[in-house]
Amino acid sequence: GENVEQHPSTLSVQEGDSAVIKCTYSDSASNYFPWYKQELGKRPQLIIDIRSNVGEKKDQRIAVTLNKTAKHFSLHITETQPEDSAVYFCAASRGGYALNFGKGTSLLVTP
Amino acid sequence: DGGITQSPKYLFRKEGQNVTLSCEQNLNHDAMYWYRQDPGQGLRLIYYSQIVNDFQKGDIAEGYSVSREKKESFPLTVTSAQKNPTAFYLCASSQFTGTEAFFGQGTRLTVV
Repeated sequence: GENVEQHPSTLSVQEGDSAVIKCTYSDSASNYFPWYKQELGKRPQLIIDIRSNVGEKKDQRIAVTLNKTAKHFSLHITETQPEDSAVYFCAASRGGYALNFGKGTSLLVTP
Repeated sequence: DGGITQSPKYLFRKEGQNVTLSCEQNLNHDAMYWYRQDPGQGLRLIYYSQIVNDFQKGDIAEGYSVSREKKESFPLTVTSAQKNPTAFYLCASSQFTGTEAFFGQGTRLTVV
């Protein structure tokens, strides 16, 4: 089955700096790659996703890049703010299968 | 208010008892999922269902059972065979597999 590896497990940045979280996946047939943000005590919520026919997608301060050949994808957050502090999860899946999640990255943005 | 609802938010049970967690959605989604979340382990898949009366085991299905008798409902039973049941359980749904999943607010189960 699909295996998703996520790095780093923790990340601390200064407010205004950029943050990058990286994930690799094992199943070359995977074609859907979402990123979820989970604040303490709350449910995970989708922040951005990308499909395998696209190499990059951007939404304001958040961007995701996908390298199908290398089977890795990354989340980029620019101009970080304290409210970006949360746990971020990457995931991968394809039709007929559930999302497989990475173990998460705990991001701390310090003022 | 549309969405996916889990109940209860907190659940306490004695060791050896079976317990059922509720998950209901009114999004008309075909696919539903159960994940278990433990600190540092991410979200691990227990079971998922793509259609009524059909479901598939995930990575950690042992000690759990599910049913999908209605499109809107996907209850999870934690049986006494589950060796370490204390955890945070998240239910999710999506239009189809391979599309955006929406999560419920979770049920924190504590077995004493």
